Amino acid sequence: SFELTQPPSLSVSPGQTAIITCSGDELRHTYTSWFQQKPGQSPVLVIYEDTSRPSGIPERFSGSHSGTTATLTISGTQAMDEADYYCQAWGSGTGVFGTGTKITVL
Amino acid sequence: QVQLQESGPGLVKPSETLSLNCTVSGGSIISRGDHWAWIRQPPGKGLQWIGSIYHRGNTYHNPSLKSGVTISVDTSKNQFSLRLTSVTAADTAVYYCARHRGTCSSVGCQGYFDSWGQGTLVTVSS
Repeated sequence: SFELTQPPSLSVSPGQTAIITCSGDELRHTYTSWFQQKPGQSPVLVIYEDTSRPSGIPERFSGSHSGTTATLTISGTQAMDEADYYCQAWGSGTGVFGTGTKITVL
Repeated sequence: QVQLQESGPGLVKPSETLSLNCTVSGGSIISRGDHWAWIRQPPGKGLQWIGSIYHRGNTYHNPSLKSGVTISVDTSKNQFSLRLTSVTAADTAVYYCARHRGTCSSVGCQGYFDSWGQGTLVTVSS
């Protein structure tokens, strides 16, 4: 079955760079999206088609993709970026979300 | 900017049917290149795609879910719906509707979810 694996958690200091990985064999053949979800809120799309940023999303959010791994980078992390982050991709006839990464800004 | 709003009962008894509607405003559900999706999130857990529908009625479901999932569309109301039969406690979740920008075919879908509803918690309990 198609699975996307993310690190469960990541701590980062304000102003530093946060890097979240998403791994899965099917990623070799498809685009990845990334979502930010704060407690009690709906997910928000921050990256689509590996590297594109929707309007209104700060430039500090960027995405990349190589082989079976997609990466979300938050440059100059701010306290407001503390949230859960999920990757998402399509493969094997289904849509799958990653296991999620909790970003803590200390 | 398109907005989505879920509606439906917050409590469903085990073995009964869960029914939710999603009303789309600020845009037409008859939009070329857009599908409309249901996604759920059990309390404290991750996200799961349930399925997507095109305005012509073509539906695409997550094969890992049990049978009993029905997604339908009512273009006259700019609305789409989810029905899940024979629910169990494992179906307790926040249910989101979302716009799915992309394409789907018999081999699967592509695209991304760019607008989401606020979500509605459905609890399965007697």
